[in-house]
Amino acid sequence: EAQVTQNPRYLITVTGKKLTVTCSQNMNHEYMSWYRQDPGLGLRQIYYSMNVEVTDKGDVPEGYKVSRKEKRNFPLILESPSPNQTSLYFCASSLRDRGQSPLHFGNGTRLTVT
Amino acid sequence: GENVEQHPSTLSVQEGDSAVIKCTYSDSASNYFPWYKQELGKRPQLIIDIRSNVGEKKDQRIAVTLNKTAKHFSLHITETQPEDSAVYFCAAGSSASKIIFGSGTRLSIRP
Repeated sequence: EAQVTQNPRYLITVTGKKLTVTCSQNMNHEYMSWYRQDPGLGLRQIYYSMNVEVTDKGDVPEGYKVSRKEKRNFPLILESPSPNQTSLYFCASSLRDRGQSPLHFGNGTRLTVT
Repeated sequence: GENVEQHPSTLSVQEGDSAVIKCTYSDSASNYFPWYKQELGKRPQLIIDIRSNVGEKKDQRIAVTLNKTAKHFSLHITETQPEDSAVYFCAAGSSASKIIFGSGTRLSIRP
């Protein structure tokens, strides 16, 4: 089944404790992206990747890191989480062209930073 | 910067009536306009999309219209049903630019 898999679904952590949210897609998509969703603010892009070893900042990249060592994986790293990073996070992928193809979303990761 | 404005933020309609959600975009280079539906606790999923060479597209009870001159596009849902209750996001993108999302519309269908 074609899908984007995120883990974990729920995560509670404390300020400053490094964490990684994994994302994997099995559709051979070139484009992958991370979004955070907050009430009233819609989906805001954190980072995106056009292909292996190619990543770039989105609208709200501060406090986040990503890597794209393999085509299928695009982990999101919070080196020193803070309470304002409490949010619902979605990974997404599309076949190509960041603004031209339908996005396939993972099931989301709800992160709470205390 | 480029943005997409979406209205209304909440919408309540009687079951069986129609619902209309409107979006305006600022980037004149935008040529791809998808709509996503997000049910409670679930991920956004594409329900319909339209490209700039088409003015209207329909899929059963869902239709999208595009006015490139005015930079407006709209989602129309006819004969609404309880399962249409969700948050709907419009978006705009182009080959030179990322997808930008509207802030969402929470649609409630009253029985």
